[in-house]
Amino acid sequence: RKEVEQDPGPFNVPEGATVAFNCTYSNSASQSFFWYRQDCRKEPKLLMSVYSSGNEDGRFTAQLNRASQYISLLIRDSKLSDSATYLCVVRGGGFKTIFGAGTRLFVKA
Amino acid sequence: GAGVSQSPSNKVTEKGKDVELRCDPISGHTALYWYRQSLGQGLEFLIYFQGNSAPDKSGLPSDRFSAERTGGSVSTLTIQRTQQEDSAVYLCASSLEGRGGSTDTQYFGPGTRLTVL
Repeated sequence: RKEVEQDPGPFNVPEGATVAFNCTYSNSASQSFFWYRQDCRKEPKLLMSVYSSGNEDGRFTAQLNRASQYISLLIRDSKLSDSATYLCVVRGGGFKTIFGAGTRLFVKA
Repeated sequence: GAGVSQSPSNKVTEKGKDVELRCDPISGHTALYWYRQSLGQGLEFLIYFQGNSAPDKSGLPSDRFSAERTGGSVSTLTIQRTQQEDSAVYLCASSLEGRGGSTDTQYFGPGTRLTVL
């Protein structure tokens, strides 16, 4: 079993749609969680950290469920510019960072 | 300010040759990471440097891979006797502290695309 698992997609949605991604992790001792975005042939960039109480940044909402060991990302009112690969990232108590393989999103007009 | 830079941006080499990849982290960042990403795959952790501590090399796939970080700044990843399966994009990232926590963002460089013929 991979340490971090994501549905690779692709998710094809129309503009304005709401889309949600889930990510599961295997290490119950994991302490920090993030969503990164990666555009085609570009480097990953931080989208948002995921806090235990859940957090929202504009159209993006992230949730953490420690009991079930998954995190989620919800995108509301999808824009064409949201098309990218979304990477789930999990860190343990130290520094080792595990990236999921990513979920591809295509938003179409 | 300047972000993470990497050089070269592209490297084509023949099987069996050695290559060196360079990373210049953001000034003041004490933590530096190397990853590689094969086509269509996620990022694979390779090695981590934090300040003057011994690096964590647990992600290096074989003893042909090594890395150093001089003066707590610039890092070089060396691959000896390259193989075709080493072809990938090698990404470097730096963060302010590297001690974990939800605020310790990793900033990535543009990567070096390595092709081994």
